[in-house]
Amino acid sequence: GENVEQHPSTLSVQEGDSAVIKCTYSDSASNYFPWYKQELGKRPQLIIDIRSNVGEKKDQRIAVTLNKTAKHFSLHITETQPEDSAVYFCAAIKGSGYALNFGKGTSLLVTP
Amino acid sequence: GAVVSQHPSWVICKSGTSVKIECRSLDFQATTMFWYRQFPKQSLMLMATSNEGSKATYEQGVEKDKFLINHASLTLSTLTVTSAHPEDSSFYICSARDRVTGNTIYFGEGSWLTVV
Repeated sequence: GENVEQHPSTLSVQEGDSAVIKCTYSDSASNYFPWYKQELGKRPQLIIDIRSNVGEKKDQRIAVTLNKTAKHFSLHITETQPEDSAVYFCAAIKGSGYALNFGKGTSLLVTP
Repeated sequence: GAVVSQHPSWVICKSGTSVKIECRSLDFQATTMFWYRQFPKQSLMLMATSNEGSKATYEQGVEKDKFLINHASLTLSTLTVTSAHPEDSSFYICSARDRVTGNTIYFGEGSWLTVV
């Protein structure tokens, strides 16, 4: 099945700096890669996603890049703010059944 | 946007009893719903895929007789934790795929289960 690796597990940055989280996937058939932000005890919130026919997507301070050849995708957050502090999960579609397979998560802390 | 409602949001039950968690898509039809379990400070682990009108597909290591899943309609899936034990205490969360928009997946609010 699909295996999604996510790094780093924890990330601490100063407010205003950029944060980058990287994920790799194993199944070359995966074609949808969403990123979720989860605050403690709450549901994951979709923050950005990318499909396999696109190499990069940007939404204000958030961007995602995809390298299909290398099977890795990354989340970039610029001008970080304390409210960006949360756990971020990458995911990949596990085959045609549309079950998301999640990475282990990255706990991001943005300090003022 | 589309809404997935999950109920109850938290529940405490005695060891050996059963607990049912409901997942409803409020404004769209979901042919497929997914159930995840999340332990503290860990990722979401897929438990099973629930298809409307058919048996659920369970992930390896998930006991289908313990975690009963029913997807009787296009808007409702239920997860019943039978003979619950303290080690079943976890955050259970469902997600649903909108059959019209295709890939978009929406999450329920999650249910905290504590077995005492």
